[in-house]
Amino acid sequence: GQQVMQIPQYQHVQEGEDFTTYCNSSTTLSNIQWYKQRPGGHPVFLIQLVKSGEVKKQKRLTFQFGEAKKNSSLHITATQTTDVGTYFCAGGRANNLFFGTGTRLTVIP
Amino acid sequence: DVKVTQSSRYLVKRTGEKVFLECVQDMDHENMFWYRQDPGLGLRLIYFSYDVKMKEKGDIPEGYSVSREKKERFSLILESASTNQTSMYLCASSFPTGGGETQYFGPGTRLLVL
Repeated sequence: GQQVMQIPQYQHVQEGEDFTTYCNSSTTLSNIQWYKQRPGGHPVFLIQLVKSGEVKKQKRLTFQFGEAKKNSSLHITATQTTDVGTYFCAGGRANNLFFGTGTRLTVIP
Repeated sequence: DVKVTQSSRYLVKRTGEKVFLECVQDMDHENMFWYRQDPGLGLRLIYFSYDVKMKEKGDIPEGYSVSREKKERFSLILESASTNQTSMYLCASSFPTGGGETQYFGPGTRLLVL
């Protein structure tokens, strides 16, 4: 069954609005990774979080790993049209990587 | 830069045909993976391999087999293609990053089974 749940499945935002996608696991993860897949493209690694409560930033993107290492979030501030795509979280556990179902982001100019 | 290539971007096959999807990586990665991606279902792991001639079933191995005769090459085989195997197939490879394994994906093969 699905080990890592991700919500929402779809999100439409006006350009300039913020966007957040959430990732939840029923079990403790050793790490959380985030990937971005542009339309027509393949998933590309963005970042990995390993420590409990860790927060990392990449320009307008903020990634958080929960204290219990069971959940994570990706927040984009002031979205741009270049942010469109599907964002996947992937939880690492026991040498395996479990991908979430992804959140497809559409940015309306 | 890690490069993962897949033999075809688009493929059209008929029901019952045997289908080979090839994946090659050039970074000497031990681990290689095959996923299928369907709308609303995300990435589902079909098979993976941690070394040459080793293979492990993923979440949805039924109807598929794999072959890893060389470290850089991981093949996915559909013995008798069916219409429910129409999907996007993604290959990935990885190396350990200490606490997890970052995966590098190929461009994908979009397979249509008629």
